[in-house]
This record gives sequence, C-alpha cells and structure tokens, in this order.
Amino acid sequence: DQQVKQNSPSLSVQEGRISILNCDYTNSMFDYFLWYKKYPAEGPTFLISISSIKDKNEDGRFTVFLNKSAKHLSLHIVPSQPGDSAVYFCAASTAETSGSRLTFGEGTQLTVNP
Amino acid sequence: NAGVTQTPKFRILKIGQSMTLQCTQDMNHNYMYWYRQDPGMGLKLIYYSVGAGITDKGEVPNGYNVSRSTTEDFPLRLELAAPSQTSVYFCATDTSYNSPLHFGNGTRLTVT
Repeated sequence: DQQVKQNSPSLSVQEGRISILNCDYTNSMFDYFLWYKKYPAEGPTFLISISSIKDKNEDGRFTVFLNKSAKHLSLHIVPSQPGDSAVYFCAASTAETSGSRLTFGEGTQLTVNP
Repeated sequence: NAGVTQTPKFRILKIGQSMTLQCTQDMNHNYMYWYRQDPGMGLKLIYYSVGAGITDKGEVPNGYNVSRSTTEDFPLRLELAAPSQTSVYFCATDTSYNSPLHFGNGTRLTVT
C-alpha cells in the first residue's frame, strides 16, 4: 500500500525554466509534508516543508503547494539550475506518530540541462 | 561537526552471515531512525528510537534488530543476511516531531 506516490520517475527541464515535481497521497491523516533532495552517494537533505493548515510555503526559488481536497502536493523550482539535478523525495507524517516517522514517495530524478 | 556518521560505506555479505551497521551522531538529538532504500523505491522505516533505552519497530523490521544504549549511537544488526536485505541503509536523527531529519550518507549492502 503506497500511501505517498510520485508518479513521474524522471523529469528533464532546461536551465532557467520552471521545474514542477508532483506528489499524491492517500492517507487523509497526514498533516505535515516535506521535500528532500538527494545527490548520488549522499543522504537525503531537507529542502522545504508545509503544514496541512497552509496551502503554500515559499523559500527562495522553492515553493511547495498543498491541495488537501485533491490529496496532492507539488514542488516548484524557479528558475531551475544545473545544481538542482538530483532525486527529489516527497514525504509525509501524521500527528499521531512520535518523531518523524515519515512515509516517503518513490522519488523523481530531476535533470536540469544547461 | 560531523553530524550523522555511518560505517561502513559499503559491504558485501554472504547469505546467512551477520553484521552490524554503525550510526553515530554528535548533535545530541533524541530521535534516531533507520531507513532502507531499494532501487526505484522510497525510503522505508525499519526501526526508530525516541531516546536511550527506547526502541520501536517501523514499517519493515523483520530480519533486523537495534539497540540504543547511548544518545549518540544507534546500531542496526542483521543476524542472518538474506538477498532481500540488499539495499542502501540510511540512519537519521531529529530533535522532535516535524523537525527535519538529518541523514547520514548511507551504507550500501549487498547480500549474495
């Protein structure tokens, strides 16, 4: 039962354009959502998060949008840079869990071409 | 400041062998986690700990054991290695619920 799903295994965009990464979830109890970025041979690093009481959170070039009725969130990167090329994981958690017992999506490989 | 340190980086095991994956953190975080990542899959939680002396199972605990005798260390033990345990293992820490996880760089394990 994949509760967090990233349907696009890969995405390729041109430098300077917008990258949009999508994530869907099925568990309506999820109330906190995060995006992590992962480079090869490294651990994931935290990028941006959003609470279910918000529908948008922005941090520099990165914006996360949450549509609770559709159980969908997206990560927008504007403008995209070659250094953004990495695997992006969407993750979610519920208030019932202690600590950050996250449920992760499968990941999307973003390639930004110069 | 090392953060989260995992050793070894790589290991090849034969079926039935045992080993311990080490994880040490110097951030004084209470919460520690072990995740595994299989190719094309997201990370899945194996075990977690909310403090020294307290551990609990995650989503995929079978075939693994953990202990947490100190705040700093959270080793993961494989007793009888199986090919299904071929994966990349990540240790992570955080300070509380909804604080971002800090990951180590992973241990790539192959069981043949």
